[in-house]
Amino acid sequence: EIVLTQSPGTLSLSPGERATLSCRASQSVSANYLAWFQQKPGQAPRLLIYAASIRATGIPDRFSGSGSGTDFTLTISRLEPEDFAVYYCLQYGSTIRTFGQGTKVEIK
Amino acid sequence: QVQLQESGPGLVKPSETLSLTCNVSGGSMRNYYWNWMRQAPGKGLEWIGVVYSTGSTNYNPSLKSRVTISLDMSKNQFSLRLFSVTAADTAVYYCARSQWLDSWGPGTLVSVSS
Repeated sequence: EIVLTQSPGTLSLSPGERATLSCRASQSVSANYLAWFQQKPGQAPRLLIYAASIRATGIPDRFSGSGSGTDFTLTISRLEPEDFAVYYCLQYGSTIRTFGQGTKVEIK
Repeated sequence: QVQLQESGPGLVKPSETLSLTCNVSGGSMRNYYWNWMRQAPGKGLEWIGVVYSTGSTNYNPSLKSRVTISLDMSKNQFSLRLFSVTAADTAVYYCARSQWLDSWGPGTLVSVSS
């Protein structure tokens, strides 16, 4: 089973700043099958990025994903007020899917 | 646009079976993966398992002995059964489509309590 470790646990930033979130896998993620989700309180997660770098339908281009193998990054170029939320990564390259523990992006 | 909706009892007694259904509308179930996840109060996301449109399944090893996921494409739905539940199974349960979980249901809270 692949373990995903997200860092930092909490990111305190101001609107307009750049956010960089990390997701590190315990072993290589097959075909870079890594996705990122945003979750707000009381809501279901929303897909942002899949296959490490492909933006899902309707996702603003301030969200970008990069990385390969075991190291992946989600970047939010300029934080908007609605971007403050919890972000999760998911690997779906193995038959057993696993999530990271989440990174909370909070207003500084 | 595909929509998913979870349904089932909101309260289950300890040692009993949790049963949920995910109804799929606005799209075909063929050639897709259909997943169940859960999120305990204040905690992160946990993947429970997946059923492919052929009926083949994979489960989280930590739950495998207690879980069954099945598919009924004639009814546009798939189901989760979790046996011998305890308070630790109290969570919001979500269903989602595809390998990369591109569409989710809103979730349903299931509490395990006597």
